Amino acid sequence: DVKVTQSSRYLVKRTGEKVFLECVQDMDHENMFWYRQDPGLGLRLIYFSYDVKMKEKGDIPEGYSVSREKKERFSLILESASTNQTSMYLCASSSPAGFYEQYFGPGTRLTVT
Amino acid sequence: RKEVEQDPGPFNVPEGATVAFNCTYSNSASQSFFWYRQDCRKEPKLLMSVYSSGNEDGRFTAQLNRASQYISLLIRDSKLSDSATYLCVVNGAGGGADGLTFGKGTHLIIQP
Repeated sequence: DVKVTQSSRYLVKRTGEKVFLECVQDMDHENMFWYRQDPGLGLRLIYFSYDVKMKEKGDIPEGYSVSREKKERFSLILESASTNQTSMYLCASSSPAGFYEQYFGPGTRLTVT
Repeated sequence: RKEVEQDPGPFNVPEGATVAFNCTYSNSASQSFFWYRQDCRKEPKLLMSVYSSGNEDGRFTAQLNRASQYISLLIRDSKLSDSATYLCVVNGAGGGADGLTFGKGTHLIIQP
């Protein structure tokens, strides 16, 4: 079974703090993704990566950056957290061999106060 | 802009009934299609892939109509545990490396 883990299930941070969200997958998948999910807006792609040290902007990259130093790990960074970044953050991974279906981690519910 | 449209519901359906959802997609070059299930406050989980010829997995049947650009999901003999949000998902024309486009989901409530 594919396993995608995220460093925290719940996180509370203050406005202006730097926030790191970590994601690790154990299936040697090439592609990794970060989404946020908000009521009424569905899943929105923030960034994705198709290889180590490679990153591509998704639909809503503003205010975020990412890092992929190892194949199994993809980090999302909020340089200066703001209240409008309060959301559920979901990491996913996929492999071309799997016809691109994505497997999700359990999510991190981030609250910025 | 690539879009995947779904009726948000909620669909309130008695236990044992058959229920069907459709979703439409705008990118005619899309190559792969999926249905995901998401329980409240949990992550989406792959329910089934959707193949051109249609496919069935137990009580669930998925169909793809490329000409009309819609995907359907049929659930027969619905169970209380089928209550969830069902996400229609379509990949990009680039083959998937740019991620998938998710519909906003259809909320299904199975009533006893």
